[in-house]
Amino acid sequence: GNSVTQMEGPVTLSEEAFLTINCTYTATGYPSLFWYVQYPGEGLQLLLKATKADDKGSNKGFEATYRKETTSFHLEKGSVQVSDSAVYFCALSRSGGGADGLTFGKGTHLIIQP
Amino acid sequence: GAGVSQSPRYKVAKRGQDVALRCDPISGHVSLFWYQQALGQGPEFLTYFQNEAQLDKSGLPSDRFFAERPEGSVSTLKIQRTQQEDSAVYLCASSSPSTIPGELFFGEGSRLTVL
Repeated sequence: GNSVTQMEGPVTLSEEAFLTINCTYTATGYPSLFWYVQYPGEGLQLLLKATKADDKGSNKGFEATYRKETTSFHLEKGSVQVSDSAVYFCALSRSGGGADGLTFGKGTHLIIQP
Repeated sequence: GAGVSQSPRYKVAKRGQDVALRCDPISGHVSLFWYQQALGQGPEFLTYFQNEAQLDKSGLPSDRFFAERPEGSVSTLKIQRTQQEDSAVYLCASSSPSTIPGELFFGEGSRLTVL
C-alpha cells in the first residue's frame, strides 16, 4: 500500500536559516502529494500540494517539487522565521487526487530559535 | 460553524468503558474522515463518509470501533470496551468537491486517555 517516510525530528534551526525536510514515498499509480502543517494548539492545515511529476507546490515561502524518479517531495524554505515553528506532515493521496483521504508520514517537529 | 468542531476535547476512560466522540464538519462539506493519531506519530486513516454513506472503513482497528453519520452531517465515532492501546488523539476532517482535491479541513481533535 501507499506509504510516506519523512525525516525524524526535532529539527532545530536559527532564524533565517535554510530549511529542508526530506520526504519519500511508496505508491502504486500516480498519487498527489501534500505537505500539511500543524501549528501549536491548532488543527492540521494544508500548506501546499503537487498533482503530477515535476509540479512544484508553493505557499508562504515554502516549496516542494514532485520528483517521480526519486519518489521524493522534499519541503524547502530559503529563510525560516520563528513563526514557522510547527509540526510538518508529508502526505499522499490514498487513491487518485485525494478525494478518499490521505496517507500521512509521522511528522517532523521544526523549532526555529530567534 | 466556521471550522470543524470536535467534542469532547479531552476524555479519560477506564478500561472497558464505552466512549463516543463527536464531529461537526464544516457546513455543506460532503466528505468526512476520521483519523487516529498516536503520540509522536502521524494521523492514521480510520474511515470516511460521503454524505451518510460509509464508503471505506478499512482502517478501523477492530470491531470495537464503529462510526456513523446518519444524516450526512454530524458524525460519531464510538469505541466499545476501550483498551489502553486506544489512547490517542482522534481527528476528524471534512472536505467538499468545491475545495482543492485532497485539502482536508481538520478539527483540533479529541484526546482519549484510557486508564
